[in-house]
Amino acid sequence: DADVTQTPRNRITKTGKRIMLECSQTKGHDRMYWYRQDPGLGLRLIYYSFDVKDINKGEISDGYSVSRQAQAKFSLSLESAIPNQTALYFCATSVASGGTYNEQFFGPGTRLTVL
Amino acid sequence: GDSVTQMEGPVTLSEEAFLTINCTYTATGYPSLFWYVQYPGEGLQLLLKATKADDKGSNKGFEATYRKETTSFHLEKGSVQVSDSAVYFCALSPKTGNQFYFGTGTSLTVIP
Repeated sequence: DADVTQTPRNRITKTGKRIMLECSQTKGHDRMYWYRQDPGLGLRLIYYSFDVKDINKGEISDGYSVSRQAQAKFSLSLESAIPNQTALYFCATSVASGGTYNEQFFGPGTRLTVL
Repeated sequence: GDSVTQMEGPVTLSEEAFLTINCTYTATGYPSLFWYVQYPGEGLQLLLKATKADDKGSNKGFEATYRKETTSFHLEKGSVQVSDSAVYFCALSPKTGNQFYFGTGTSLTVIP
């Protein structure tokens, strides 16, 4: 079984709809992240969480919100989807080691299309 | 601020050709450096990493050396295969701070 799972894998929605993307992990990591990937722009950080009570905005948080329901679950919501939020979304986890970052482990991605 | 700049693609090579994908970084202090690979339809996977100057990361025939004097972490492979076709991302993790910085990715296609 995959260590980091994302649901749904693909989603098509309409402008103005609320949508939630979910991420679960079995790695036991404290840190979780949401990124979006757009062609030519690489990965951009939306939100990150270092534990259940810690939520931080990333580079492009406008239009998004998150919820850390448990150590293993981190959800991303689009309250009112717009077409320029069409992208590939990735969840990732990591564990800090000695005050520095270790590698990040990625889920398979959710392809979101907003019409 | 911290950032990563990598060679733009796409890159197309014939099987068994030599591969270099350039990556340079800007950071204060001594970050950790990574190469991630994204195969079609999949998430990113760690390919290799180096955590201090002069370290060489290697995996699956790929290598990259952490060069502090040139602030570079170029990815190399002596003989590419069709199965290496993917998008490659250079990334940086600062020793302090809370973010992980990715380059824009380089698409590699290897043709038989």
